[in-house]
Amino acid sequence: QVQLVESGGGLVKPGGSLRLSCAASGFSFSDYYMSWIRQAPGKGLEWVSYISTNGRTMYYADSMKGRFTISRDNAQNSLFLQVNSLRTEDTAVYYCASSYTPMAHSGVGSWGQGTLVTVSS
Amino acid sequence: QLVLTQSPSASASLGASVKLTCTLSSGHYNYAIVWHQQQPDHGPRYLMKLDADGSHIKGDGIPDRFSGSSSGAERYLTISSLQSQDEADYYCQTWGTGFVFFGGGTKLTVL
Repeated sequence: QVQLVESGGGLVKPGGSLRLSCAASGFSFSDYYMSWIRQAPGKGLEWVSYISTNGRTMYYADSMKGRFTISRDNAQNSLFLQVNSLRTEDTAVYYCASSYTPMAHSGVGSWGQGTLVTVSS
Repeated sequence: QLVLTQSPSASASLGASVKLTCTLSSGHYNYAIVWHQQQPDHGPRYLMKLDADGSHIKGDGIPDRFSGSSSGAERYLTISSLQSQDEADYYCQTWGTGFVFFGGGTKLTVL
């Protein structure tokens, strides 16, 4: 079955950087649009970014533009999120998610378990 | 501007039914949505994709107690024969080219 496993979270000082990874298995990764979605403590879900199947098209939520970079490696069945200039308000669980429909941007069909990013001095 | 509106909370008794609502903003009534469930201390889980005409496709293993329907701007999630494990946050989500939006979520309490 579909498995998405995030890694790379941790405690980071304000202004620092992190690279989050998501290892995918159980489906044809290269056929699915992929997203990062985050959830601050006690808050709702917030979309961060999504990337097309071939990695050439990326979109970001307005508040994420400039500091966040999504990428993928289809040969390694992996999704990445580079986050720079981290702020305390970036503290959240970051989820990797695959689209519901192959070869199209669509609603989220599968979720990872999340990786916690804590930004604090 | 596309906005999804959900009531912050809902409650119903064990064994009863509850209908949760996700309301699309004006001019966006043709959008499909996805319903997700997030149980306490868990990541979200896909429940179903729900189209404007009310047709829906549930995820693997989602019980028949969960169903979806649509009417105009409203997208509904109905849970029947409520069980204690249905106590969770429920989020609706929609999408388009260049964006993904979530509703604020409804916290369901099973009494």
